[in-house]
Amino acid sequence: DADVTQTPRNRITKTGKRIMLECSQTKGHDRMYWYRQDPGLGLRLIYYSFDVKDINKGEISDGYSVSRQAQAKFSLSLESAIPNQTALYFCATRSRVLTDTQYFGPGTRLTVL
Amino acid sequence: GQQLNQSPQSMFIQEGEDVSMNCTSSSIFNTWLWYKQDPGEGPVLLIALYKAGELTSNGRLTAQFGITRKDSFLNISASIPSDVGIYFCAGPSSGGSNYKLTFGKGTLLTVNP
Repeated sequence: DADVTQTPRNRITKTGKRIMLECSQTKGHDRMYWYRQDPGLGLRLIYYSFDVKDINKGEISDGYSVSRQAQAKFSLSLESAIPNQTALYFCATRSRVLTDTQYFGPGTRLTVL
Repeated sequence: GQQLNQSPQSMFIQEGEDVSMNCTSSSIFNTWLWYKQDPGEGPVLLIALYKAGELTSNGRLTAQFGITRKDSFLNISASIPSDVGIYFCAGPSSGGSNYKLTFGKGTLLTVNP
């Protein structure tokens, strides 16, 4: 079984709809991250969380919100989706005590029409 | 914020050829990471570098941490079709409790059989 899972894997929605992307991990890591990937732009950090009570904005947090429901779960919400939020979204985890390695989920491809 | 410049943006090579790509920064990084993203998947860590001048290999992959700590390169020898994907360099944009990774925009590698 995958250590970091994301649901859904693909989603098509309409402008103005509320969307939630979910991430779960079984690695026991306390740090979790949400990234967005656009062609030619690499990975850009949206939000990150160092534990259940700690949420931090990344470089492109506008239009997004997150919830850390438990150490193993970190959700990303688009309150009112817009077409330029069409992208590939990745969740990642990292251990506090080990290396700099971040472990990525398989991604969610979101299309906003 | 810190930025990582990767080159080339894309490469088209024949199977069996060697590949070289690099990553530069205007500021010093204390760690360099190289990730590979297979089509339809999340990035996976290939090599981590922690010391200036360090040369590390992982099978046919070799990466070096530049002496100035502002650059790193990744070489792939005797490329095979499964080397296809996007290669990202990354480094911590800040340390301690505020740890985040900055990613380059990636090098897209295509290998023709």
